[in-house]
Amino acid sequence: DAGVIQSPRHEVTEMGQEVTLRCKPISGHDYLFWYRQTMMRGLELLIYFNNNVPIDDSGMPEDRFSAKMPNASFSTLKIQPSEPRDSAVYFCASSPSGQAYEQYFGPGTRLTVT
Amino acid sequence: EDQVTQSPEALRLQEGESSSLNCSYTVSGLRGLFWYRQDPGKGPEFLFTLYSAGEEKEKERLKATLTKKESFLHITAPKPEDSATYLCAVRTGNQFYFGTGTSLTVIP
Repeated sequence: DAGVIQSPRHEVTEMGQEVTLRCKPISGHDYLFWYRQTMMRGLELLIYFNNNVPIDDSGMPEDRFSAKMPNASFSTLKIQPSEPRDSAVYFCASSPSGQAYEQYFGPGTRLTVT
Repeated sequence: EDQVTQSPEALRLQEGESSSLNCSYTVSGLRGLFWYRQDPGKGPEFLFTLYSAGEEKEKERLKATLTKKESFLHITAPKPEDSATYLCAVRTGNQFYFGTGTSLTVIP
């Protein structure tokens, strides 16, 4: 299995630009999670989906962030407009049904907003 | 307020020197406690899930235990390849909270 796939691996953008991060979960996994990791705040859960339906988005920092999961094999996290404080590593993780806690993480996208 | 605290922040061990990492939590309605390992530049890698006090899980040189207030990750006779950041996380309700991790360095 290829594991969780994220793209791009690195993204550098200017403040005010739209950023879209992409994730392909492991085939057969029913849960998909988006996290943000910074030195200051550690790993923070932003939102997660079960069977393509958002379950909890209370971690989404503000309206500039949105996430979608149009089908079982694809999800996006969008930031519009981006700000320098959004600079972080964004991880996507997936989990099989019945084991929502054994999360398999992707390699992450390192986002730098200048 | 739900909280997860890990200690120490950093730990240096000689190869073969056993030790323990701590994860203390204050959450309402624990639905699981998880340990992950994270190598630099990579995503966390799942190690263990513990659900109830008294539960223990083992994997190679690692053993995780759980009480009502904390969890320990015991590392027996560590090797340099065990060097990594170890993250603890808890699930309560629909939320998952991660600690900031313990950075472990094992010196040959």
